[in-house]
Amino acid sequence: EAGVVQSPRYKIIEKKQPVAFWCNPISGHNTLYWYLQNLGQGPELLIRYENEEAVDDSQLPKDRFSAERLKGVDSTLKIQPAELGDSAVYLCASSAGRGRENEQFFGPGTRLTVL
Amino acid sequence: GNSVTQMEGPVTLSEEAFLTINCTYTATGYPSLFWYVQYPGEGLQLLLKATKADDKGSNKGFEATYRKETTSFHLEKGSVQVSDSAVYFCALNTGTASKLTFGTGTRLQVTL
Repeated sequence: EAGVVQSPRYKIIEKKQPVAFWCNPISGHNTLYWYLQNLGQGPELLIRYENEEAVDDSQLPKDRFSAERLKGVDSTLKIQPAELGDSAVYLCASSAGRGRENEQFFGPGTRLTVL
Repeated sequence: GNSVTQMEGPVTLSEEAFLTINCTYTATGYPSLFWYVQYPGEGLQLLLKATKADDKGSNKGFEATYRKETTSFHLEKGSVQVSDSAVYFCALNTGTASKLTFGTGTRLQVTL
């Protein structure tokens, strides 16, 4: 079974430029998550989708971040414009259901460096 | 709110040594508890989990017991190998928003 796929794996951009990350979840997983992992920290949730609906985006900085999950499968996370403090690893995860017992499967992440 | 506290690393051990990584939590509600592992250059992988008090999760020689009375979920392994070198994250999920709350991670380095 293929795991969660993310691209690109690495991205280097200059500040004020836009950037987009792509995620393809495990087939059949209706719930998709985007997490932000700063250096030396644990991941923190940015947004959660149930199918195509964003059901928890309270931690997403909406002035510069946006996300979409068209057709309830692939998802894209965008930053425009990027700031130096956005340098981090952006993780995508998916799960077959929701609730406290469900295992979340993580992709390898996209490491963003903003210069 | 929910939070997870892990012992700071790095933890450096010789091969075949005994490992303990401490994890304590605070949670509103009844959480499930998880240990995730991140090998160099790879994504997070679930190592083990426990969903109710006194449950023991185990996998690949690692164990952790859900201790509600001490709000702890310490990770243990009797004999570590060089291949266990990685960053280990303790996490919880109360079901509220279905999100995982992670600790800061503990880096384990195992030497020959």
